Amino acid sequence: DTAVSQTPKYLVTQMGNDKSIKCEQNLGHDTMYWYKQDSKKFLKIMFSYNNKELIINETVPNRFSPKSPDKAHLNLHINSLELGDSAVYFCASSHLGSGPGNTIYFGEGSWLTVV
Amino acid sequence: GQQLNQSPQSMFIQEGEDVSMNCTSSSIFNTWLWYKQDPGEGPVLLIALYKAGELTSNGRLTAQFGITRKDSFLNISASIPSDVGIYFCAGPLLPQGGKLIFGQGTELSVKP
Repeated sequence: DTAVSQTPKYLVTQMGNDKSIKCEQNLGHDTMYWYKQDSKKFLKIMFSYNNKELIINETVPNRFSPKSPDKAHLNLHINSLELGDSAVYFCASSHLGSGPGNTIYFGEGSWLTVV
Repeated sequence: GQQLNQSPQSMFIQEGEDVSMNCTSSSIFNTWLWYKQDPGEGPVLLIALYKAGELTSNGRLTAQFGITRKDSFLNISASIPSDVGIYFCAGPLLPQGGKLIFGQGTELSVKP
């Protein structure tokens, strides 16, 4: 029973293409996130949704569009892919808040390579 | 913006040795988190700290929340090969709640 599952795990695509990464959590959390990990392993938040509503939107190109059809799903669509988009994208989920019991759980990551 | 400075960036140790890494910030955090990322996997929470001065253990791992609330350290005792991975400190940026800021990571290699 994978708590936070994302697909695909590996994606190789050409510049200019549009691609989507899907994420689902079965933990009953109300908040989901997308994080990006660059080639230097640095992790940075991109978006966060709480109960299907966008609550965090970092400085991310508008080619990246998250969509949350329900609170258990948060998908990431990327238009006009560029070489610099190559990275590992992690979906995560939690209950909203930062105290005990609000642990953020991460998926296994989606390795995106743009060629 | 806020940053977490984590050191060292990498460590190469012999199996059985103890390991220590730390994380500092110019800002106060109310929570300190330590995650481990295995190769090809996502980060997994190891230890969460919620009170200044708190010392918490999880098996061979021990972490402390600094008194100033601007630092934390993680110790691993008697390292084993499966300790290999990247260790991240993280803290939530309030009032955004779950928005985590991460340190740069400490990559640990353990030689059998």
